Amino acid sequence: DQQVKQNSPSLSVQEGRISILNCDYTNSMFDYFLWYKKYPAEGPTFLISISSIKDKNEDGRFTVFLNKSAKHLSLHIVPSQPGDSAVYFCAAGWGSQGNLIFGKGTKLSVKP
Amino acid sequence: DAGVIQSPRHEVTEMGQEVTLRCKPISGHNSLFWYRQTMMRGLELLIYFNNNVPIDDSGMPEDRFSAKMPNASFSTLKIQPSEPRDSAVYFCASSPGQTGYEQYFGPGTRLTVT
Repeated sequence: DQQVKQNSPSLSVQEGRISILNCDYTNSMFDYFLWYKKYPAEGPTFLISISSIKDKNEDGRFTVFLNKSAKHLSLHIVPSQPGDSAVYFCAAGWGSQGNLIFGKGTKLSVKP
Repeated sequence: DAGVIQSPRHEVTEMGQEVTLRCKPISGHNSLFWYRQTMMRGLELLIYFNNNVPIDDSGMPEDRFSAKMPNASFSTLKIQPSEPRDSAVYFCASSPGQTGYEQYFGPGTRLTVT
């Protein structure tokens, strides 16, 4: 009964190429989506977010796409850098309280 | 500008002992969240507070777990008695609340119960 799913536990990409991380959700009440990045022995850090009224949000090398009809979002990193190697979590929220539901994460490895 | 502060960073204890994890949120943030991360279940929300009031504790696994937020700058998560299956990394996060969903995480406490 996972409401936020990241089906790929890991992804390996060559430096300079595009990294695409995917996330699916089941709850149509979600109205806000976020991506977090986590390095070992550190807490997750906020990366980028998107509201349900948008289908794209861009911040430098990071772009998040939202497809509401498919209940799918993706994070694109272009170009990928070795420092991007981390675990990426997708998260979703709704309402006014601010609690989030997290996916289980995708470990990205960017090889030089 | 200090982020979320958690202590201790590592805790090793024996089964049956009481464990207390501490969190200082970012000043001015109205919401505070406790999460547990395990390999099997990923990042799970245990409980969250809004303006020091517990809003949703449905993620707290058992009565052995309790959390308090006596003021806006301090929260504790207590496990009593602890069991080996409680071994995990526990994160505290805070958020400005109504202004957005972005949560800012502390570095976590790695708990090992032997």
